[in-house]
Amino acid sequence: ETGVTQSPTHLIKTRGQQVTLRCSSQSGHNTVSWYQQALGQGPQFIFQYYREEENGRGNFPPRFSGLQFPNYSSELNVNALELDDSALYLCASSHRAYNEQFFGPGTRLTVL
Amino acid sequence: KQEVTQIPAALSVPEGENLVLNCSFTDSAIYNLQWFRQDPGKGLTSLLLIQSSQREQTSGRLNASLDKSSGRSTLYIAASQPGDSATYLCAVGSGGGADGLTFGKGTHLIIQP
Repeated sequence: ETGVTQSPTHLIKTRGQQVTLRCSSQSGHNTVSWYQQALGQGPQFIFQYYREEENGRGNFPPRFSGLQFPNYSSELNVNALELDDSALYLCASSHRAYNEQFFGPGTRLTVL
Repeated sequence: KQEVTQIPAALSVPEGENLVLNCSFTDSAIYNLQWFRQDPGKGLTSLLLIQSSQREQTSGRLNASLDKSSGRSTLYIAASQPGDSATYLCAVGSGGGADGLTFGKGTHLIIQP
């Protein structure tokens, strides 16, 4: 059984740029959630995708957007990057019926 | 708005001790509660999941309890080992799961050899 994978591992961008982060779900899972974790804080929920549609969103602005593909993999897109977007971005997959979330290793984004 | 608090923020104990980590949440209408472990700079490893209808779950040396009415959960670690050193995060699920997990800030645990 393959776990949740994320790419890239690290990324450096400058303010105002756009970034795309990728996530592959664990085998058998149909739901993907994204979280942002600032240094020293717990992760914060960005949004969740099920059946290729966003079905839940946290307190993040519209410049944070996402996609889920038919194979349940997902992308997180962030436009107009700000310095405060520097964080560890975590993807979690789960099965809708059981809802135990399994996390990937994360992507460390640094915005300069 | 759900808020999750974890106490203590940091804990350092000698190897072999039993210890308890605490988690409290403000809204008892939860869907489930998960405990995670996070090593520095890494992703989260799921330790235990407790559904809202359950009172406790056990896995090896770990036992987690849930008291929805009082808004509390505890994670009990028996016979601690240096390899248990990590940050432990408590997270609650609400809204049938579509609201994502709400996390505490974690307890940073150090087990001294």
